[in-house]
Amino acid sequence: DAKTTQPPSMDCAEGRAANLPCNHSTISGNEYVYWYRQIHSQGPQYIIHGLKNNETNEMASLIITEDRKSSTLILPHATLRDTAVYYCIVSSGSGNTGKLIFGQGTTLQVKP
Amino acid sequence: DGGITQSPKYLFRKEGQNVTLSCEQNLNHDAMYWYRQDPGQGLRLIYYSQIVNDFQKGDIAEGYSVSREKKESFPLTVTSAQKNPTAFYLCASTNRQGENYGYTFGSGTRLTVV
Repeated sequence: DAKTTQPPSMDCAEGRAANLPCNHSTISGNEYVYWYRQIHSQGPQYIIHGLKNNETNEMASLIITEDRKSSTLILPHATLRDTAVYYCIVSSGSGNTGKLIFGQGTTLQVKP
Repeated sequence: DGGITQSPKYLFRKEGQNVTLSCEQNLNHDAMYWYRQDPGQGLRLIYYSQIVNDFQKGDIAEGYSVSREKKESFPLTVTSAQKNPTAFYLCASTNRQGENYGYTFGSGTRLTVV
């Protein structure tokens, strides 16, 4: 599975959009981009995933560049409860081994 | 409601003892996973199982053992051979059918060796 690169930390003002970048320059054609977040001392929570098209759900939007070498997770109106570690993962998914390889993630601090 | 249940939430073990962490899911998921998380670190894969009666080693399987006798259950045993077992342990599951679904994680077990 390809590796990802994320900034270690970011700040965001409450009510503003939080844009979390991720580089995955070695992603292969059958690998999806997944985003999870982990609030302190809890299990990670699935946010969104995509292959090559932009995706949106009730939690966030995922923008994937045309060459698929990078993506951005967008939380449109960040709240204090969005403070967490955000993990960007690329994986060929459950069709093969289904393994998710977690990096260090980005610690997002939402400030009042 | 469907989900994954891990128990106990906190576990203390004396050095040299084996302990078993429970993971049960009622999501009808085929695949189950065990991860370990150390303070300030990401998750590392210990073992995974895609079907009943079959499992594979992850990146840090030494000192751990698992079984998958039922689809719903994937217990993890931390043996005395694990040199540094104090960590946060997370169980996850996913459906292998068709589209790549997200993983569902349990709330974790915090193991401390005393």
